[in-house]
Amino acid sequence: QSVLTQPPSVSAAPGQMVTISCSGSSSNIGGNYVAWYQQLPGTAPKLLIFDNNERPSGIPDRFSGSKSGTSATLGITGLQTGDEADYYCGTWDSRLSAVVFGGGTKLTVL
Amino acid sequence: QVQLQESGPGLVKPSQTLSLTCTVAGGSAISGNYYWTWIRQPAGKALEWIGRIYKTGSTSYNPSLKSRVTISVDTSTNQFSLTLRSVTAADTAVYYCARDGLRGYNDYWGRGTLVTVSS
Repeated sequence: QSVLTQPPSVSAAPGQMVTISCSGSSSNIGGNYVAWYQQLPGTAPKLLIFDNNERPSGIPDRFSGSKSGTSATLGITGLQTGDEADYYCGTWDSRLSAVVFGGGTKLTVL
Repeated sequence: QVQLQESGPGLVKPSQTLSLTCTVAGGSAISGNYYWTWIRQPAGKALEWIGRIYKTGSTSYNPSLKSRVTISVDTSTNQFSLTLRSVTAADTAVYYCARDGLRGYNDYWGRGTLVTVSS
């Protein structure tokens, strides 16, 4: 059971937009920065978003992040088949003194 | 460009100790202002944070693993290591080392190494 809650799966058609939610509490998302990762099959996770809404160099602006209260959201616009992957949210938990991750969301581009 | 590479045995017997090393190259390597992190992922399951270390040796561990884990750093060789004691089949996973940018996000990752616990 993950500390952060994500939907197990989402799907959308190519070219469309999708959002993935990440729900936590005041000790994690509510008081700390959120990051998002993309994990393509058989590969290491890749940082997509850090500090709630910042993109590392090389990440297209089709990917966006937001945070409100104890929840965070990853948005992906202009979906491509290459976006099919597992997506994870993560943040520091001040009560646990540990980094915590969500259970992951599998994105299917139909 | 920062590169991380995990190394260590791919097979460990139950009740024994799992030991992995991560070698860091590029950037300011281990001496930079970052945490150095271990994360694992059982097949088909979510990421699990194991712990992290700063160049000074200061550590933080996942409370669920804290009694069995030690992370150490060697700045002279740009390496940091993971030791997990008394392993069981539940410790079978791909183990990743990664860099933490001080705010809980991991911007560079190793490719991961599969460790299987089996007799």
